[in-house]
Amino acid sequence: EVQLVESGGGLVQPGRSLRLSCTASGFTFGDYAMSWVRQAPGKGLEWVGFIRSKAYGGTTEYAASVKGRFTISRDDSKSIAYLQMNSLKTEDTAVYYCTRLGEGPYFDYWGQGTLVTVSS
Amino acid sequence: SYELTQPPSVSVSPGQTARITCSGDALPKQYAYWYQQKPGQAPVLVIYKDSERPSGIPERFSGSSSGTTVTLTISGVQAEDEADYYCQSADSSGLVVFGGGTKLTVL
Repeated sequence: EVQLVESGGGLVQPGRSLRLSCTASGFTFGDYAMSWVRQAPGKGLEWVGFIRSKAYGGTTEYAASVKGRFTISRDDSKSIAYLQMNSLKTEDTAVYYCTRLGEGPYFDYWGQGTLVTVSS
Repeated sequence: SYELTQPPSVSVSPGQTARITCSGDALPKQYAYWYQQKPGQAPVLVIYKDSERPSGIPERFSGSSSGTTVTLTISGVQAEDEADYYCQSADSSGLVVFGGGTKLTVL
């Protein structure tokens, strides 16, 4: 059974940093691209970015709203994907979902999400 | 930037057919995907590649495509289908785009 478990969320002040982790199980992690999707309170889904598998260079892509501030990385030996968030803004407040990326691209499995609140 | 447009809300009586549309200029060239999200839960993929249904998704969920519009159809709507539905596709660069979401109300 595919499982994705996010951790690392919490309350952080504007301008500070936070790192989220996504621990995966139930599939060969290194074979898949992984992605982060967020949802602000009461709002719709917003794609944050993804990291390709090593077979496709392990390269990353980001939404314009986070490019230059957020970084996605992966540790295939531990089956963990990370989202490093720097220079956080109040508008980054959201539930952050870790997702597995199917060819398309699309999101075939989702974690339960972790809440990040950016507030002073 | 590229946008996908969905109606904010759709209402239907139990047993009727619900149709949720999603419009975007790149949809003739890019597949569309649909997600169902119930309150307090993570989204679930219900349709991929315009019309394919993942295992475990009821047959009453179907998808279709025509030009710049894709449609999620739920036949014989049940109370448990009340949820938010999001379409998703990719722009010309392969970057992900979501529609704004449609709240399906079962009357």
